[in-house]
Amino acid sequence: ILNVEQSPQSLHVQEGDSTNFTCSFPSSNFYALHWYRWETAKSPEALFVMTLNGDEKKKGRISATLNTKEGYSYLYIKGSQPEDSATYLCAFTSGTYKYIFGTGTRLKVLA
Amino acid sequence: ETGVTQTPRHLVMGMTNKKSLKCEQHLGHNAMYWYKQSAKKPLELMFVYNFKEQTENNSVPSRFSPECPNSSHLFLHLHTLQPEDSALYLCASSQDLGGAYEQYFGPGTRLTVT
Repeated sequence: ILNVEQSPQSLHVQEGDSTNFTCSFPSSNFYALHWYRWETAKSPEALFVMTLNGDEKKKGRISATLNTKEGYSYLYIKGSQPEDSATYLCAFTSGTYKYIFGTGTRLKVLA
Repeated sequence: ETGVTQTPRHLVMGMTNKKSLKCEQHLGHNAMYWYKQSAKKPLELMFVYNFKEQTENNSVPSRFSPECPNSSHLFLHLHTLQPEDSALYLCASSQDLGGAYEQYFGPGTRLTVT
């Protein structure tokens, strides 16, 4: 059974702090790793898709790295703002359309 | 605006009712998905359609019946549900099948079975 683990489950940080969280996935049969942001009462929104070992992606203050050999990805947020408060999901695929999601990291940024 | 809409946003139904969830995507995508999210569990893939053809039924009970009349519309017909089916049901679409395509999600339908 393929499993995707995210840690921590939840996180509170002060405005201006930088933070990061982890997504662990099976290192065999890797095809792609996705990150999504899901704000309360809204739709999950795609942040990044990464396919190559060593990939680094950046969007504004948010960036992500990928290590397919050891099966993990980090998501970093620099200078957190209250609008960054959301649940961050990662999803792993092994080449098919079956996206396997983690349970997410719930981030709360305190003003 | 994500380009994927779902109706209704909230639904309360009894175990003997029949209801339908509707999803529409305005993105010109070829693949559409139904997901279920129960409390404290990850998103769970239920059904996948590609060019209106069902390509995946992830061992979903027959009380859930999907329908995809065209590439823009997806329905989930519900009948004789159980209280444990109460969950958030999300629809998504992607340009095509394949694990590197971003999925675009609707806002979900919050279903309560009484």
